[in-house]
Amino acid sequence: QQPVQSPQAVILREGEDAVINCSSSKALYSVHWYRQKHGEAPVFLMILLKGGEQKGHDKISASFNEKKQQSSLYLTASQLSYSGTYFCGTGDDKIIFGKGTRLHILP
Amino acid sequence: GAGVSQSPSNKVTEKGKDVELRCDPISGHTALYWYRQRLGQGLEFLIYFQGNSAPDKSGLPSDRFSAERTGESVSTLTIQRTQQEDSAVYLCASSFPMGTEAFFGQGTRLTVV
Repeated sequence: QQPVQSPQAVILREGEDAVINCSSSKALYSVHWYRQKHGEAPVFLMILLKGGEQKGHDKISASFNEKKQQSSLYLTASQLSYSGTYFCGTGDDKIIFGKGTRLHILP
Repeated sequence: GAGVSQSPSNKVTEKGKDVELRCDPISGHTALYWYRQRLGQGLEFLIYFQGNSAPDKSGLPSDRFSAERTGESVSTLTIQRTQQEDSAVYLCASSFPMGTEAFFGQGTRLTVV
């Protein structure tokens, strides 16, 4: 079952914050977050395992609410380098990705 | 090698021909995944391997697509009688046990003319 991401696209000015949401109709064991820049391969950001944990990576953090079957990715004080498409992936074995959220940061 | 290696990086083929795409995972990675990404689209799951076993082939778009893996090493994705709608970037990823961080290769850009 493919997770649903929202919004589909976001345009921000440098320094602004953004939240990207990922939800599933199926019980989640883990959620993966990846970022893909244009013409490049997806790059791993973080994995969250069930337990409602929150993880951080520089100014990018994420939460996972297994009861609500949702995860959110938080980008704080966005930088130009944050531009790209963000994918969440779910699955106990195979990783099924959402359709992605395009993030564009303006200087 | 240091990362996931895919070959060829680009492939142009005529409609109706067969193509074989190769993926060399990171050494020691037991799980291997294939995805297809059409221009401007998301990551479409095709198949995954745990070792050389493929428990789930449901993502393969048609019986023209097949994949194999030798042990916990190289995998090949074969597309027979290629069609124009097969044009896409085919991405391979590998990881330690499934559900851990997956590393992607740079992909093979397939163009069917």
